Amino acid sequence: DAKTTQPNSMESNEEEPVHLPCNHSTISGTDYIHWYRQLPSQGPEYVIHGLTSNVNNRMASLAIAEDRKSSTLILHRATLRDAAVYYCILRDRGSQGNLIFGKGTKLSVKP
Amino acid sequence: NAGVTQTPKFRILKIGQSMTLQCAQDMNHNYMYWYRQDPGMGLKLIYYSVGAGITDKGEVPNGYNVSRSTTEDFPLRLELAAPSQTSVYFCASSYGIKNIQYFGAGTRLSVL
Repeated sequence: DAKTTQPNSMESNEEEPVHLPCNHSTISGTDYIHWYRQLPSQGPEYVIHGLTSNVNNRMASLAIAEDRKSSTLILHRATLRDAAVYYCILRDRGSQGNLIFGKGTKLSVKP
Repeated sequence: NAGVTQTPKFRILKIGQSMTLQCAQDMNHNYMYWYRQDPGMGLKLIYYSVGAGITDKGEVPNGYNVSRSTTEDFPLRLELAAPSQTSVYFCASSYGIKNIQYFGAGTRLSVL
């Protein structure tokens, strides 16, 4: 699976939007972009995924660059509960299914 | 909605002891996974299973064994605990190879 690069940490204020970047310059045409997050002392949880088009769900939005070499996870209004480590993961369409986690971005949310 | 249940939540082992980490899911998922997470790091895959009776090694399988006799259960066995196995262990399951993985709350293990 191709490698991703994320900032180690980011800060946000409560109720403001947050844009979490991810670079994946070696992405292949069959790689999906997945985002998971891990709240303190919990297991990871799925957030969103996409291939080429921007995606929205009740948790977040995923904006994918036209060349697919980068993407941004958008939390529209950060809450204290969104403080977590966010992982950007590339997953090949034909992969065996395991997720390859990097160190992710630790998001802090200030009240 | 139980999802993926892991027991115990915490455990302290002495070097050389053995134990089994339990994982059960009630979503009828065919795929199950075991990961470990060392402090400040991402998760690494230990073993996975594509269905009852079928298991395969992940990235870091040494020192561990698994079995999958039922769809619901996927226990992880540590035979001779070593300090290097001090970690947080997560079990996950998914329906299908490409689908969302659902994780348990983890087992925090210390080997002293």
